[in-house]
Amino acid sequence: DQQVKQNSPSLSVQEGRISILNCDYTNSMFDYFLWYKKYPAEGPTFLISISSIKDKNEDGRFTVFLNKSAKHLSLHIVPSQPGDSAVYFCAASGSEGSARQLTFGSGTQLTVLP
Amino acid sequence: DSGVTQTPKHLITATGQRVTLRCSPRSGDLSVYWYQQSLDQGLQFLIHYYNGEERAKGNILERFSAQQFPDLHSELNLSSLELGDSALYFCASSLMTGFRTDTQYFGPGTRLTVL
Repeated sequence: DQQVKQNSPSLSVQEGRISILNCDYTNSMFDYFLWYKKYPAEGPTFLISISSIKDKNEDGRFTVFLNKSAKHLSLHIVPSQPGDSAVYFCAASGSEGSARQLTFGSGTQLTVLP
Repeated sequence: DSGVTQTPKHLITATGQRVTLRCSPRSGDLSVYWYQQSLDQGLQFLIHYYNGEERAKGNILERFSAQQFPDLHSELNLSSLELGDSALYFCASSLMTGFRTDTQYFGPGTRLTVL
């Protein structure tokens, strides 16, 4: 049972355009959400997070949007750069029980074309 | 470089064997987490240690065990290996007790291949 789903395994975007990566979750106990970025042969690297008390968090070119009613979050990268090409993982956690640990989606491979 | 080191990088072994994966956390971090990533899957949480004590268990098989030593490095032991255990195994560390907003820093992973 996948509690965090990234339905697009891959996404290609032109350099300079916006990249939008999507993530859906099913566990209503989740209230803290993160995005990690992973390059080949490296471990995931924390990118940005958002608490359920907010609906938007911005850090430079990266913005995460949270729609609690839809149980959906998205990561916007503007403008996209070739160096952004990587696998992006969405992760979620809650404050109780097994939800306390991070649950990851299966990832989306972003390719930014020059 | 996250500051988390994992050895070995690659491990090839046969079914039925036992292996040990090693992780050294970032300097000062007290929490260590282990994750398994199988083909086309997300990272699956296995186990969390804080300052030498087990704090949480995920979907870790009984054939797998882990420990965190006084110097805070951790080892993940996988025994009676099966083909399905082939995966990337990541270790992560964080500063505090595993409070969920602690940023976890990941090592580069160990790729285990069971033949």
